[in-house]
Amino acid sequence: QSALTQPPSASGSPGQSVTISCTGTSSDVGGYNYVSWYQQHPGKAPKLMIYEVTKRPSGVPDRFSGSKSGNTASLTVSGLQAEDEADYYCSSYAGSNNFVFGTGTKVTVL
Amino acid sequence: EVQLVESGGGLVKPGGSLRLSCAASGFTFSNAWVNWVRQAPGKGLEWVGRIRKKTDGGTTDYAAPVKGRFTISRDDSKNTLYLQMNSLKIEDTAVYYCTRQGAAASFDYWGQGTLVTVSS
Repeated sequence: QSALTQPPSASGSPGQSVTISCTGTSSDVGGYNYVSWYQQHPGKAPKLMIYEVTKRPSGVPDRFSGSKSGNTASLTVSGLQAEDEADYYCSSYAGSNNFVFGTGTKVTVL
Repeated sequence: EVQLVESGGGLVKPGGSLRLSCAASGFTFSNAWVNWVRQAPGKGLEWVGRIRKKTDGGTTDYAAPVKGRFTISRDDSKNTLYLQMNSLKIEDTAVYYCTRQGAAASFDYWGQGTLVTVSS
């Protein structure tokens, strides 16, 4: 199972928006609405930010939103804040009781 | 408050074995499906495997790189998840996280991780 493809980096100034893509195949991202997104600060555990493509867990700011089109899912962070600087990973169910993560994107707040 | 606390990591030689534990609290552990996810130093996340709750059969699934070498088990009386790792390889070096399976195949709570280093 190959990792989902994410851009290595993305950046934006405070208050701006940044969108991260997550490209898979029809066997994972395109085949299920089971895409989730995780934020990971250095030395810390990942934190769930988005699940089921578009849903936010309680406590996650509505500045974070998710979408999907075909085999590509996206995470948008609007109104960038300094604390949003982190690594972001997508994940998808990949069928046959398997899961796959994305390659990860480092978001920098300029 | 949901808490997952891993332990048991350390340095082991190639071909060796190690057992990790994950102590859960703040939720009904016996009702949860739980997973192991690992992260090699400076690399991305990789799903390792999971175990279903006993009323769903208590069965396990594994990623291809660890199938046949790693075994996930649980002791609901102790609210603890285990990962038995045998025939360890250098490429198994990683921080190992236990995670609770949430809605829609997400991983909604994570432990702080435990580092496993496989080196001669």
